[in-house]
Amino acid sequence: ETGVTQTPRHLVMGMTNKKSLKCEQHLGHNAMYWYKQSAKKPLELMFVYNFKEQTENNSVPSRFSPECPNSSHLFLHLHTLQPEDSALYLCASSQGDGSGNEQFFGPGTRLTVL
Amino acid sequence: AQSVTQPDIHITVSEGASLELRCNYSYGATPYLFWYVQSPGQGLQLLLKYFSGDTLVQGIKGFEAEFKRSQSSFNLRKPSVHWSDAAEYFCAVGERGGYQKVTFGTGTKLQVIP
Repeated sequence: ETGVTQTPRHLVMGMTNKKSLKCEQHLGHNAMYWYKQSAKKPLELMFVYNFKEQTENNSVPSRFSPECPNSSHLFLHLHTLQPEDSALYLCASSQGDGSGNEQFFGPGTRLTVL
Repeated sequence: AQSVTQPDIHITVSEGASLELRCNYSYGATPYLFWYVQSPGQGLQLLLKYFSGDTLVQGIKGFEAEFKRSQSSFNLRKPSVHWSDAAEYFCAVGERGGYQKVTFGTGTKLQVIP
């Protein structure tokens, strides 16, 4: 596999369920990101990990819990979500060394909360 | 704080016609600037980027963009649009240094008519 992969691509869950989104990058990058993309809203940065350390938490509700076990993997654990959390969740990675390299995106996970 | 404005939510052009998508940014210094494209159900793909040097940058798929500091703009252009260019286009501004936080515009949806 190359680039940034995300699983699952589609997820339907009830408000009481617990699920996890997975992201893996094969680019040797050190920074990884979670974004939320809702209809008619700008892309919202949720979390940033740089060299496995969380460097940004953009006031995200605690029902979203990120995990970054190493520089190649990033998880987003979900529990007791609300219908308004339905969105496309995008993972991205970048070099993370401040040299201005662009972010590479995965295809996203389309989440529907019933 | 940095910000990006894409004033056009939706643009329709005829196949073969020229295209210009507008982007204005706010940032205290010389920013990193990006244009991304997103096809339905997919992640974002980088079209081109500006870091420094020549203010006219060439990207993939025949796109180009010009950085105009005096106007705080980074408009995307293509001389002849193809039907496959129909997608949503996002302008983004990145901070210099660190893991490079990127702020995205709200996007411009491009429709191409035969």
